[in-house]
Amino acid sequence: DQQVKQNSPSLSVQEGRISILNCDYTNSMFDYFLWYKKYPAEGPTFLISISSIKDKNEDGRFTVFLNKSAKHLSLHIVPSQPGDSAVYFCAASAYGGSQGNLIFGKGTKLSVKP
Amino acid sequence: GAGVSQSPRYKVAKRGQDVALRCDPISGHVSLFWYQQALGQGPEFLTYFQNEAQLDKSGLPSDRFFAERPEGSVSTLKIQRTQQEDSAVYLCASMPGLAGWGGETQYFGPGTRLLVL
Repeated sequence: DQQVKQNSPSLSVQEGRISILNCDYTNSMFDYFLWYKKYPAEGPTFLISISSIKDKNEDGRFTVFLNKSAKHLSLHIVPSQPGDSAVYFCAASAYGGSQGNLIFGKGTKLSVKP
Repeated sequence: GAGVSQSPRYKVAKRGQDVALRCDPISGHVSLFWYQQALGQGPEFLTYFQNEAQLDKSGLPSDRFFAERPEGSVSTLKIQRTQQEDSAVYLCASMPGLAGWGGETQYFGPGTRLLVL
């Protein structure tokens, strides 16, 4: 049973518009959430994270929102750029705010069209 | 280089062959993780080292999988008698501190793509 779910395998967005990637989780013990970005033939690159004590974290064009009651988080990219085209993985951890054993979703492939 | 490196990048093995995958973490990083990523899936946890101690190997799929980090730096993941279902990308990640002590970033290597024929 998947504990972290990314239900959209792919997303296509026009350059300059907002990209919204969604992630749902089932384990209420998760208390730290991360987004990784992955280009082909490369390892995942850390993008942004959020602790369960917050509901929003922002870093430049990237903002992550956490809705604990709905067990849902989302990544907003504004404005989207062609270089953002990659696979985005949502991950969660239950190690008291650290990143111990990360549980990943299956990923969402984002395509940003010029 | 400053990042996590893995070798080989690609490995083709015949079924039944033993393979060894190497990970060079970022210098000084205490924690090291191995993940397995099957096609179309997210990475799945295999095992965790704190320095040379293997503290969690709950994700290793069978006793054919063995990992070590004898001097607390380089790690090797060994798969004995490879099977076709072992075909996947094997990712290594390192982290400066201890798992369980506060949010830190795991830094991933490029992975080793293993194909078992």
